[in-house]
Amino acid sequence: AQSVTQPDIHITVSEGASLELRCNYSYGATPYLFWYVQSPGQGLQLLLKYFSGDTLVQGIKGFEAEFKRSQSSFNLRKPSVHWSDAAEYFCAVGGSGGYQKVTFGIGTKLQVIP
Amino acid sequence: DTEVTQTPKHLVMGMTNKKSLKCEQHMGHRAMYWYKQKAKKPPELMFVYSYEKLSINESVPSRFSPECPNSSLLNLHLHALQPEDSALYLCASSQEAGGSPLHFGNGTRLTVT
Repeated sequence: AQSVTQPDIHITVSEGASLELRCNYSYGATPYLFWYVQSPGQGLQLLLKYFSGDTLVQGIKGFEAEFKRSQSSFNLRKPSVHWSDAAEYFCAVGGSGGYQKVTFGIGTKLQVIP
Repeated sequence: DTEVTQTPKHLVMGMTNKKSLKCEQHMGHRAMYWYKQKAKKPPELMFVYSYEKLSINESVPSRFSPECPNSSLLNLHLHALQPEDSALYLCASSQEAGGSPLHFGNGTRLTVT
C-alpha cells in the first residue's frame, strides 16, 4: 500500500528565509510524486511533480523539490519565502494507472512572519 | 483562475433536504473525482469516474450519490445527510494517463444543520 508521511504539521519561517518541507513516501514501484498547495477556502494547486529523469524538479512560484530514492524522500524547498506563500502544503504519491488514486500526506501548514 | 468550476461555493442544508453539487471542466479530461476534506485534514477520495463510468467508490454512504452525465460534468447528489458530513467537497479532473496531476476546483463548503 502506498503512503506519505509529512513529519512537520506546522512550520513558521520569517519572510525572506529559506524553506524546506519534508516528505517521505512508501510505494512498491517507481512512484509519481506531487506537491500541492492549498490556500484557505481554496482548492489544491499543483506546485510540481516527479516521475523520472532529473531528481531536482522545478515548479511554479519558485519552488523546487528533490527526489532521493535511497531516503524515500521528496522534500520541497524555496530559497526565499514570501508572505503570500503562507498556506497548507500537501505531498502526494500516485501510480501509473490511467486515473489517479492519489494518497495525500497530512499536510504542513506554513506560517510566514514579517 | 481555476479550470474546474464548482457550484455552489457554499451550501447550507437540513438533514431532510435534497441538494446537488455540480462540477464542470473543459480541459478534455476523462477522469473526474470527488474528494471530501474536513478541517485540518488532507482530501479523502470518495469517487472516481473514468470515461463517464464509476470506477472507484471508496465505501461512501449511499446518502451521497454521484453522477457523470457527460465527459465535462460531474454531480454529487446529497440526501438525508448528517451534521458530520459538513466539509469542503472538492472536485478534480485529470487526463487518463499515468502520473497525470489532479486539477482541483475551489470546492463547495457544505454545512449540514
